[in-house]
Amino acid sequence: QVHLVQSGAEVKKPGSSVRVSCEASGGAFSSHIISWVRQAPGQGLEWMGRIILMFGSTRYAQKFQGRVTIAADKLTGTTYMDLNSLTPEDTAVYYCALENYMVPADLRSFDYWGQGTLITVSS
Amino acid sequence: SYVLTQPPSVSVAPGKTARITCGGNDIGNKGVHWYQQRPGQAPVLVIYYNADRPSGIPERFSGSKSGNTATLTISGVEAGDEADYYCQVRDSGSDHWVFGGGTKLTVV
Repeated sequence: QVHLVQSGAEVKKPGSSVRVSCEASGGAFSSHIISWVRQAPGQGLEWMGRIILMFGSTRYAQKFQGRVTIAADKLTGTTYMDLNSLTPEDTAVYYCALENYMVPADLRSFDYWGQGTLITVSS
Repeated sequence: SYVLTQPPSVSVAPGKTARITCGGNDIGNKGVHWYQQRPGQAPVLVIYYNADRPSGIPERFSGSKSGNTATLTISGVEAGDEADYYCQVRDSGSDHWVFGGGTKLTVV
């Protein structure tokens, strides 16, 4: 059983950056793929990008390309999502979610989710 | 980019069967996953790879596909099933994940 624990809520100014962390416990860290998904108030789920921890390779949604960076610390089992040039439209709950890399790609799903981190962007 | 289309809302009486659809081009050739999200909570996987249920998910939840539409069926709906439901697929060409817009299930 894997447990994902995210960092706490933050309030940021427009134009600034934010880092959200996601610590995984249980399971084999190297077999994890961590995605970041955000949900604006009253809106649906939006995939931002992912990192394959075994290789450190990343993939980002076109919408966030150049503005988001996902990285991981293998020693601590923690994944980070950095988002810069924040605007009020980035106000959302940010989730990390885990896939098992050892499962065939077609069968993979987001088996575990973090509790979510509310990022509020306001002047 | 790949688009998944869900109805914004579905209403059902307690004990009846709810069906939530998810349409997408060539969805028949993709693995479809479904998530339940109760208010203020993180999403929970209820169906993976079209029709499989994770452990702990009641048998009342089932998934199917036909043509360009995937369907989440909840039989014997209970008040606790009231939530938002999202379908999801991987766009293999871009290796990006795509979510449907979500469907709010109301138990009336």
